[in-house]
Amino acid sequence: SAVISQKPSRDICQRGTSLTIQCQVDSQVTMMFWYRQQPGQSLTLIATANQGSEATYESGFVIDKFPISRPNLTFSTLTVSNLSPEDSSIYLCSVDRQGGYEQYFGPGTRLTVT
Amino acid sequence: GDSVTQMEGPVTLSEEAFLTINCTYTATGYPSLFWYVQYPGEGLQLLLKATKADDKGSNKGFEATYRKETTSFHLEKGSVQVSDSAVYFCALAGANEKLTFGTGTRLTIIP
Repeated sequence: SAVISQKPSRDICQRGTSLTIQCQVDSQVTMMFWYRQQPGQSLTLIATANQGSEATYESGFVIDKFPISRPNLTFSTLTVSNLSPEDSSIYLCSVDRQGGYEQYFGPGTRLTVT
Repeated sequence: GDSVTQMEGPVTLSEEAFLTINCTYTATGYPSLFWYVQYPGEGLQLLLKATKADDKGSNKGFEATYRKETTSFHLEKGSVQVSDSAVYFCALAGANEKLTFGTGTRLTIIP
């Protein structure tokens, strides 16, 4: 398994501002993933972040709204820009570490937009 | 595209009851299959997995068997406990290595 931490664990932000979420892994990993879990819903993949290349975004998610950085093999950030109440969700990062397609998840960041 | 159809909840059972949560999938090729669990206030944890047909994944008394002929991966436990109360997600990983999740099933166990 992998130990994954996220900061902040929760935040309340005003409409129109941005929030940057950090994800730190205890060892080097190739692929990191960012998900959104809207209230009472399942997880939706936002993007895949590989070190040294641009993130790959899923349909419905764009870089201007969800810019991602991946400066090294243990760290990534997701920014949620120009916040609106619809962005209120839990955001989770995960890693694929063992090559068996199983992913390990961070504890999540609960974002509330007022 | 890949998809996972999961038994809708919520499910409420008495302690020591038998649990089944149904999960079926649609995918090309031979996906890997997973059950994840999310306990109240916590992140998502991998519960068990199976990577090929007829494999049985097991953990913490939970089991699921990869049935290619019925494209299913039902989660079972013989005797549930209050501590099993959580949301359970069925998921698959296809050839693109991305996880596709079901909608989740909220399980509540009553003492």
